[in-house]
Amino acid sequence: NAGVMQNPRHLVRRRGQEARLRCSPMKGHSHVYWYRQLPEEGLKFMVYLQKENIIDESGMPKERFSAEFPKEGPSILRIQQVVRGDSAAYFCASSPRRVGDTQYFGPGTRLTVL
Amino acid sequence: AQTVTQSQPEMSVQEAETVTLSCTYDTSESDYYLFWYKQPPSRQMILVIRQEAYKQQNATENRFSVNFQKAAKSFSLKISDSQLGDAAMYFCAYRSAYTGNQAGTALIFGKGTTLSVSS
Repeated sequence: NAGVMQNPRHLVRRRGQEARLRCSPMKGHSHVYWYRQLPEEGLKFMVYLQKENIIDESGMPKERFSAEFPKEGPSILRIQQVVRGDSAAYFCASSPRRVGDTQYFGPGTRLTVL
Repeated sequence: AQTVTQSQPEMSVQEAETVTLSCTYDTSESDYYLFWYKQPPSRQMILVIRQEAYKQQNATENRFSVNFQKAAKSFSLKISDSQLGDAAMYFCAYRSAYTGNQAGTALIFGKGTTLSVSS
């Protein structure tokens, strides 16, 4: 059983560029969550999606950040016009259902903004 | 809003000995889930153990066990017979069991405890 897949594992961008982070959930999982981990911090929730729907984006900055989970293909977290403060590890997790299910995490994408 | 506090930034233990990592949380809810995740240097988040708040019995997974004190809002992790591979950052996390449209989704994490294991 393949786990949650994320790519790229490392991404370097210059200020003002766009960053696209991809997440493929575990087989049979239709719920995807994105978290951000700043240095020396715990993970912070950003957004929760089901196929073609954003369910909860309360943790995502209103500007420059967007997320999608299309009917076909991986979930995408997109950061436009990146700034140095966006440098962090971004983790994706998936679960079969919402409430009560354990979330299984991918290996993360480390974004560095120069 | 719920919060999770891990008051020990760093802990150390000798191989084969036992160590306990502390976690407290704050919530007004009665039904929720608690988790311990391990993050080794690879940065992969690995589930260690899970506890449902409605269960009085403490969860156990091999060498890992918890001491869940609901009234005190405490959820500590005990690692027995520590091994070098246990060295990692450990995160305590809370998740609501509320079945409303949006709540009950996000995991709320503490800041973590870095565990070092010496031989």
